[in-house]
Amino acid sequence: GAGVSQSPSNKVTEKGKDVELRCDPISGHTALYWYRQSLGQGLEFLIYFQGNSAPDKSGLPSDRFSAERTGGSVSTLTIQRTQQEDSAVYLCASSFSSSRHHEQFFGPGTRLTVL
Amino acid sequence: AQKVTQAQTEISVVEKEDVTLDCVYETRDTTYYLFWYKQPPSGELVFLIRRNSFDEQNEISGRYSWNFQKSTSSFNFTITASQVVDSAVYFCALGRNNNNDMRFGAGTRLTVKP
Repeated sequence: GAGVSQSPSNKVTEKGKDVELRCDPISGHTALYWYRQSLGQGLEFLIYFQGNSAPDKSGLPSDRFSAERTGGSVSTLTIQRTQQEDSAVYLCASSFSSSRHHEQFFGPGTRLTVL
Repeated sequence: AQKVTQAQTEISVVEKEDVTLDCVYETRDTTYYLFWYKQPPSGELVFLIRRNSFDEQNEISGRYSWNFQKSTSSFNFTITASQVVDSAVYFCALGRNNNNDMRFGAGTRLTVKP
């Protein structure tokens, strides 16, 4: 596809379960970001990948959150032992340029609900 | 501290009115980047503009214009002759030069009524 895709679009899980969220960036984009958007809130930066460099994990809220990017393309955000406060929309964005803060293209998001 | 404040939570205007969305930021960095993104009801954020801290020239793109004032740490966004399709949540964001952290404001929900 032409844009950033994310799956699933919606995920409902029970407290304590692990979840995996997937992001397919735009082909050729070297930078990939994960954000979290809680209801009525702005976006919260979680993690950044740039090419083969070590990811910038400074935004991850706890050690229950982790992410990987395989082959410089697809990324998976994993939340272990989910809590109700993890409920949010998780957005992925990719960027063509290796320079920081270039224009980002966002996916439609995954709405996570933790019961 | 890095912070972006969008004081207007919701704005409602009638079509063809002009509307300004306010954005005030806080940073101790001398080099930084400011952004506006639009999030329509469909949910996907759309990039509108990127401005670095050394470029204070105001910009106009069609009905959109941006006013960057370093003296007041503001980066306001004006839509001229608003249209119903402008209805969305608009986010202002601040990016640092030395890391990848982007700080977004809480957003302003704009409703343009016909």
